[in-house]
Amino acid sequence: EPEVTQTPSHQVTQMGQEVILRCVPISNHLYFYWYRQILGQKVEFLVSFYNNEISEKSEIFDDQFSVERPDGSNFTLKIRSTKLEDSAMYFCASSERRQGPRRKLFFGSGTQLSVL
Amino acid sequence: LAKTTQPISMDSYEGQEVNITCSHNNIATNDYITWYQQFPSQGPRFIIQGYKTKVTNEVASLFIPADRKSSTLSLPRVSLSDTAVYYCLVTLNYGGSQGNLIFGKGTKLSVKP
Repeated sequence: EPEVTQTPSHQVTQMGQEVILRCVPISNHLYFYWYRQILGQKVEFLVSFYNNEISEKSEIFDDQFSVERPDGSNFTLKIRSTKLEDSAMYFCASSERRQGPRRKLFFGSGTQLSVL
Repeated sequence: LAKTTQPISMDSYEGQEVNITCSHNNIATNDYITWYQQFPSQGPRFIIQGYKTKVTNEVASLFIPADRKSSTLSLPRVSLSDTAVYYCLVTLNYGGSQGNLIFGKGTKLSVKP
């Protein structure tokens, strides 16, 4: 079964540093997402992306965050200046359908980001 | 926006059937009901989706009554590996103009030997 892959699985960084989380969505999917989950809390929506632009973003996705599809296969999330509260598991997801009631998201295994 | 309510946690034993009920009283006509499963330190995984009556796949069954105000995820003969958090989502315009999936707290299922 095709899957979404994320690298690295773990990332440790110092507060204030920039990090880039990488994802390879399923090859025929056109819609991409980032979610995050702070330990013990809910899975939170960050941003959705289609046709090389952001479709929707949450309040969490402020100016410190950016997303990019640098080539035909990768989808990245950049945090410019990390804060302690950015420590979380970050999940990338992709789907064939943009919206609609039957949309199904496929999630990667996540990148555990630890900001020290 | 449709809101879902499901139990915070459930316990079961290996080999038992587990039924997790989700209420969604203000579900809209075009809404589908979707369940995801999340193992510790992994991303959510789609389990099953339905609109009405009963849907069955190799993993689970989903029962939806005629009024569609609730749904029940049924896991037959659970094993230890079914220990996970199960999320019920009503998918259409659920959060934001694009209808991005918004996860609640889910039901934490613990299967014991």
